[in-house]
Amino acid sequence: DAGITQSPRHKVTETGTPVTLRCHQTENHRYMYWYRQDPGHGLRLIHYSYGVKDTDKGEVSDGYSVSRSKTEDFLLTLESATSSQTSVYFCAISPGPEQYFGPGTRLTVT
Amino acid sequence: KQEVTQIPAALSVPEGENLVLNCSFTDSAIYNLQWFRQDPGKGLTSLLLIQSSQREQTSGRLNASLDKSSGRSTLYIAASQPGDSATYLCAVRWATSGSRLTFGEGTQLTVNP
Repeated sequence: DAGITQSPRHKVTETGTPVTLRCHQTENHRYMYWYRQDPGHGLRLIHYSYGVKDTDKGEVSDGYSVSRSKTEDFLLTLESATSSQTSVYFCAISPGPEQYFGPGTRLTVT
Repeated sequence: KQEVTQIPAALSVPEGENLVLNCSFTDSAIYNLQWFRQDPGKGLTSLLLIQSSQREQTSGRLNASLDKSSGRSTLYIAASQPGDSATYLCAVRWATSGSRLTFGEGTQLTVNP
């Protein structure tokens, strides 16, 4: 158990609504990541953070924003959800060279 | 472009067989390579990490090797069991891309009793 929780674990929302996913870690690791997993694409990095208020884009960042006001929490926001953002979202931390993943959030945009 | 490929996409073997899963990558300048296991509907479990200076790592029945010059890593599973059934993912941290990981699409392994 890497001490990572994600909330909610499942969510169904309508197109055009804002959605925020939360990742919480019980340690104070500097690096945190958001990935999405889709059939045919594998896992792809959305955004990552290397400290409080320090974030950067990954390869599929369009339509997403992030915030990190506390070391333990990393929030992913879909400003206006679209059907193409239906996916499973994973948060990860990196206490050292390895990355450890949370249980995931299954998001369905109808 | 830096890419990671895993072939085959699916593999079915009888219980007790020794097997090898393959991972290939397009750029030999890697920082490390990590193997994960994912059970259906679950998150990723880290199995093994190989640093770029290492040739292999072992954990129990699992052995991962790394050959940077050929752009390949293999995950060897000895004496496979039905409980080994899962999707196995490899991920590369490139030397030039900070701490980001690039994932292969995985190999779905089924071990039949």
